[in-house]
Parts: sequence; C-alpha cells; structure tokens
Amino acid sequence: DGGITQSPKYLFRKEGQNVTLSCEQNLNHDAMYWYRQDPGQGLRLIYYSQIVNDFQKGDIAEGYSVSREKKESFPLTVTSAQKNPTAFYLCASSYRTSGGSTDTQYFGPGTRLTVL
Amino acid sequence: QQPVQSPQAVILREGEDAVINCSSSKALYSVHWYRQKHGEAPVFLMILLKGGEQKGHEKISASFNEKKQQSSLYLTASQLSYSGTYFCGTEMSELREGGSEKLVFGKGTKLTVNP
Repeated sequence: DGGITQSPKYLFRKEGQNVTLSCEQNLNHDAMYWYRQDPGQGLRLIYYSQIVNDFQKGDIAEGYSVSREKKESFPLTVTSAQKNPTAFYLCASSYRTSGGSTDTQYFGPGTRLTVL
Repeated sequence: QQPVQSPQAVILREGEDAVINCSSSKALYSVHWYRQKHGEAPVFLMILLKGGEQKGHEKISASFNEKKQQSSLYLTASQLSYSGTYFCGTEMSELREGGSEKLVFGKGTKLTVNP
C-alpha cells in the first residue's frame, strides 16, 4: 500500500539532546513538507523540499534541520537550539505541479515529541 | 499571512448545518480544506482554485471568492462523523508566481456534532 510513514509515534528526549524524526513515502511524490502542530495554533511549516538535494525554510525553521538525499525520505532533526520542541510533528508529501492545478498534500500519522 | 478561520468552535446537533469561513489578507491562488480527528493526521477534503468554482463532496461543499480573498466550507445535515477540527490551507498568488508551492494553514475550527 502506498503512503507516508513516520516513526516513532511517540518520542521522549532529555533537554539538550538532538533528535531525528523519520518520514518516508512510497507515493513517488516530488515534494515533502514538515509541519509543527501546537494546541490552538494550527499547522506551521518548518521546512519543505520540492526536489531531491534542495529544501527551503518555512515559517519556523530556527532550531531545526533537514536533508533530502533520496526522493522517498525527508528526515527532520530537532536540535538543542530549538527552545520549545515539545509538539506534534507532521510530515506531508505531494506531487510537484508544473504550473497547473495545485496538488493535494497527504499527511503521515505524526510523531508526538516530548522533551523532559 | 496566516488566514483567519471563523468561528473558532461550533457545536451542532446531528442533522444541523454549519458554515466555516477562511479569510486571507493576501491574494490567493488556491484554498485547501482538511479535517483532523484528535491525535490523527489531517485528511484532505477538497481544493478550490481561482475562478470561484464551488465544489462538493457528499454533504460537504465549499466556495472560493477570490475577490474577497476568502473561502467557505458548508456542512449540511451534519453527521457524528463530521466531528473534528477543520483547517484551511491557503496558497498565495505571489508565492505561486515565484515557484513556491507551500500552504499556510489557519488555526482551525473545532466542530462537535452531538446526537
């Protein structure tokens, strides 16, 4: 079955540690996205990538880093520089259109990160 | 840049109707609507593009008024399964023209449907 997987579902880390969240998709989508969700805040874009080996900062990139070495994978590292990392993290992917209609973003199940 | 959704929350009895609005201060290329159940991933409902086309999905439909830079989601004869938080994601024309395909999401509207 095609889809987006994120692992783990729940993650606990001590303050000051870097942590990497996994996101894999087998939908052959070009574009991938990372969002952070806090209660009452909606979805805020952290980073996105429209092609392999290229990515752009979103609205809240400080304290995060990403890589896009393969089309299927877009891991997110939450660094110790992120002041308030406890949140629900969602990965999404979509086809990259070529000037036509905007394509749908499909979301993974999310990772809930708690920093103690 | 973040679109404003209204109302923030609404409580319905099964069978009642609701309207959720999404307004932007920027010119929009498209509006995407999603529904999220607690602790789950958002699920796509529909996309609306420039041109004001109204779309429908069973008893859920939406409109897009590009002049007013707003979209509305209409839920008719609500069912218990409609409960959740509804988000609009907006794609701004100026970013689209620059080659970016990112969405900016509103804070969500929590819909509760009671028996």
